[in-house]
Amino acid sequence: TQLLEQSPQFLSIQEGENLTVYCNSSSVFSSLQWYRQEPGEGPVLLVTVVTGGEVKKLKRLTFQFGDARKDSSLHITAAQPGDTGLYLCAGDTGGGNKLTFGTGTQLKVEL
Amino acid sequence: EPEVTQTPSHQVTQMGQEVILRCVPISNHLYFYWYRQILGQKVEFLVSFYNNEISEKSEIFDDQFSVERPDGSNFTLKIRSTKLEDSAMYFCASSDYLGDEQFFGPGTRLTVL
Repeated sequence: TQLLEQSPQFLSIQEGENLTVYCNSSSVFSSLQWYRQEPGEGPVLLVTVVTGGEVKKLKRLTFQFGDARKDSSLHITAAQPGDTGLYLCAGDTGGGNKLTFGTGTQLKVEL
Repeated sequence: EPEVTQTPSHQVTQMGQEVILRCVPISNHLYFYWYRQILGQKVEFLVSFYNNEISEKSEIFDDQFSVERPDGSNFTLKIRSTKLEDSAMYFCASSDYLGDEQFFGPGTRLTVL
């Protein structure tokens, strides 16, 4: 069973601060996706990383895939209250048939 | 922008009853998935479906569960005899091709009483 551990589990910061969320596994993933989920809603895809060492930027969000494709990070610069939500990483081990989801990081950005 | 839709948004049922959860995947997508999320827990894979066949299923997806694509647009998940522990959010997802990004619907909250 593949496990994706995310850290921290909870994060409460002030507007304007920077933060990093980590997603770690002992398994190698052919791709890794980051989602954001609001309460009572489905996960919304933010980005997909495929190549080891890949870095992708989405406005103030920077995503990195580890060289060995076992881990990933999400860095948010100058966080805003609108960034509040549950951030999920999800990995595909190569079969393409299923995603294994991480444990999630609940982010709260306060004014 | 194309999106996955699901109905109903909330389903309440009595234990032992059958429920059918419905999904309309993104129109040009070929791969379909069901996941569930028990309150406070992580999203778990149930089943994947391609070319009118189950591609892969998890140990959660036992004989009480079935999936079907009854027509060219709908994708359904049936639970034959619901149990209390089936209470969860059920998410449908679809992707263009194998290994591609999966796009999720808004979910159906199933409550089994």
